[in-house]
Amino acid sequence: SAVISQKPSRDICQRGTSLTIQCQVDSQVTMMFWYRQQPGQSLTLIATANQGSEATYESGFVIDKFPISRPNLTFSTLTVSNMSPEDSSIYLCSATPQETQYFGPGTRLLVL
Amino acid sequence: EDQVTQSPEALRLQEGESSSLNCSYTVSGLRGLFWYRQDPGKGPEFLFTLYSAGEEKEKERLKATLTKKESFLHITAPKPEDSATYLCAVRYGGATNKLIFGTGTLLAVQP
Repeated sequence: SAVISQKPSRDICQRGTSLTIQCQVDSQVTMMFWYRQQPGQSLTLIATANQGSEATYESGFVIDKFPISRPNLTFSTLTVSNMSPEDSSIYLCSATPQETQYFGPGTRLLVL
Repeated sequence: EDQVTQSPEALRLQEGESSSLNCSYTVSGLRGLFWYRQDPGKGPEFLFTLYSAGEEKEKERLKATLTKKESFLHITAPKPEDSATYLCAVRYGGATNKLIFGTGTLLAVQP
């Protein structure tokens, strides 16, 4: 298994600003993932972050809006840039130490 | 189109009243079906992985089964602490570990 932590746990931000979310895994993993979960909805994959390569973004998500860093095998960041109220959501980090994806507790973001 | 559908959207049970949640999928090349539990304000908690039709997994009051087109999560004699959203996800296709999630079933167990 894997224990995953995220910071911050929640934040309230103003329109037009950016927020960087940190994700820390307690073991080395090749693949990390970032998801968005909008209120009352399921999880949507934003991007896959592999150490040593550029993140791979899903359709509808772009690097300028959601830049991702993956500096080592236990850490990743997701930045939500130039935020609007539509970005209000829960952002979840996950990692796959073997076959199973484990999730962090999420970052609850409210954009005013 | 690859798709994962869960039913019902919401389910209310009395404590001790057994039931089943359904997850149907249309993907090519299934490489695993996952069940998660999500409590309000928290990330999904892993429950089970199933890989092939006929496979079953059990944990306490929960049992997951898999056929070629769907999976069931059976809840036997549920307790109020089983109340949560149950999510189904499918990994398919190529070498990545990407998952497609269903929309979840919100389970409420009343004492």
